[in-house]
Amino acid sequence: DIVMTQTPLSSPVTLGQPASISCRSSQSLVYSDGNTYLSWLHQRPGQPPRLLIYKVSDRFSGVPDRFSGSGAGTDFTLKISRVEAEDVGLYYCMQSTQFPHTFGQGTKLEIK
Amino acid sequence: EVQLVESGGGLIQPGGSLRLSCAASGFTFSIHWMHWVRQAPGKGLECVARIESDAIYTHYADSVKGRFTISRDNAKNTLYLQMNSLRGEDTAVYYCVRGSSDWVGMDVWGQGTTVTVSS
Repeated sequence: DIVMTQTPLSSPVTLGQPASISCRSSQSLVYSDGNTYLSWLHQRPGQPPRLLIYKVSDRFSGVPDRFSGSGAGTDFTLKISRVEAEDVGLYYCMQSTQFPHTFGQGTKLEIK
Repeated sequence: EVQLVESGGGLIQPGGSLRLSCAASGFTFSIHWMHWVRQAPGKGLECVARIESDAIYTHYADSVKGRFTISRDNAKNTLYLQMNSLRGEDTAVYYCVRGSSDWVGMDVWGQGTTVTVSS
């Protein structure tokens, strides 16, 4: 199985400031069709995860443009340009290039 | 509005069986791959099983292979997960997740149903 490793595991951030989360995969996530299937999910306490970013950098429907994704191969980053109160919770990276799809351990974003 | 509503969770003794259902609405269910993903209490996410749109191909995580069966009824817009020989480590919230029709991966998540395996 592909192992996904996120850093940091906890990120205290000031409202209005940027935040960044990194994700590394144990092998390349480039699929046979040439696409890279790396997604980012956000989970608030007591809620299911929701998709933010797919295919490394595409924002899912309804996701604010303060969220952006980048990276290639095995190294990826999620950036929030200006953190808002509603952004708190857990962030997961997920690869769907290979089954079973696997997730990072999660990064807890909290407000300072 | 796209909706996935899971049901069938509950408290079950080790070795027992349970069948989860996921009622889909607001989209053309029959063209989407579907997935079950679980989250143990205080833990991360684990992909359990997936089924392709015509139900011909299924895939399972090693942890559930031979014990769980994913299936679907496209006429009823419903996804199922039959869980047999349940163990304590199967205790989790089980999410029904839609596979994207445009790319390889999952896009919409249900609210989840809780399965607790305990004597």
